Amino acid sequence: KQEVTQIPAALSVPEGENLVLNCSFTDSAIYNLQWFRQDPGKGLTSLLLIQSSQREQTSGRLNASLDKSSGRSTLYIAASQPGDSATYLCAVTTADSWGKFQFGAGTQVVVTP
Amino acid sequence: GAGVSQSPRYKVAKRGQDVALRCDPISGHVSLFWYQQALGQGPEFLTYFQNEAQLDKSGLPSDRFFAERPEGSVSTLKIQRTQQEDSAVYLCASSFGGGAPGELFFGEGSRLTVL
Repeated sequence: KQEVTQIPAALSVPEGENLVLNCSFTDSAIYNLQWFRQDPGKGLTSLLLIQSSQREQTSGRLNASLDKSSGRSTLYIAASQPGDSATYLCAVTTADSWGKFQFGAGTQVVVTP
Repeated sequence: GAGVSQSPRYKVAKRGQDVALRCDPISGHVSLFWYQQALGQGPEFLTYFQNEAQLDKSGLPSDRFFAERPEGSVSTLKIQRTQQEDSAVYLCASSFGGGAPGELFFGEGSRLTVL
């Protein structure tokens, strides 16, 4: 069974610092991996989608890398802002059950002014 | 619609009552997913539709849970004889394609509290 882990569970950084969020998964036969943002009491907002054949994806200040062999993905957020405060979750789907996304528990991020 | 719409946003039910949660996906999206999220946890898969076909319902916790999407658009998640452990946020997501998992778009969720 695919297990997805996100460490740390919580992170606090001063404004302007770069954020590094980690996601690890046990089954390397993934189909794709997605990073989401969740604000309190809200649904999830998709940030980046990485296909299994890709090594990274970029959108603005966000960059996500994927290393299937080591079962890891990293989300980098450059020059953090207070508006980046949220919970960040990663989710993976595998080729044999691709309709079922497996989520990590998330990393709660606080960016202090 | 512009996004995934879920209703009601909040539902309080007495133990033993039946509830129905509605999801209106983004127009034209083939795939529709239901997830359950407990406080402080990531979403847990419940079920998945491709058009009107329910392709995977392995995450439904018991036979009290039932989901349908009869015309391949709006979906309803029904919980019969609710229990306190059913209290959670129920999230609906849709995705454009049906042949491969693509980007998921989530609704705001329906928060169910069972007293």
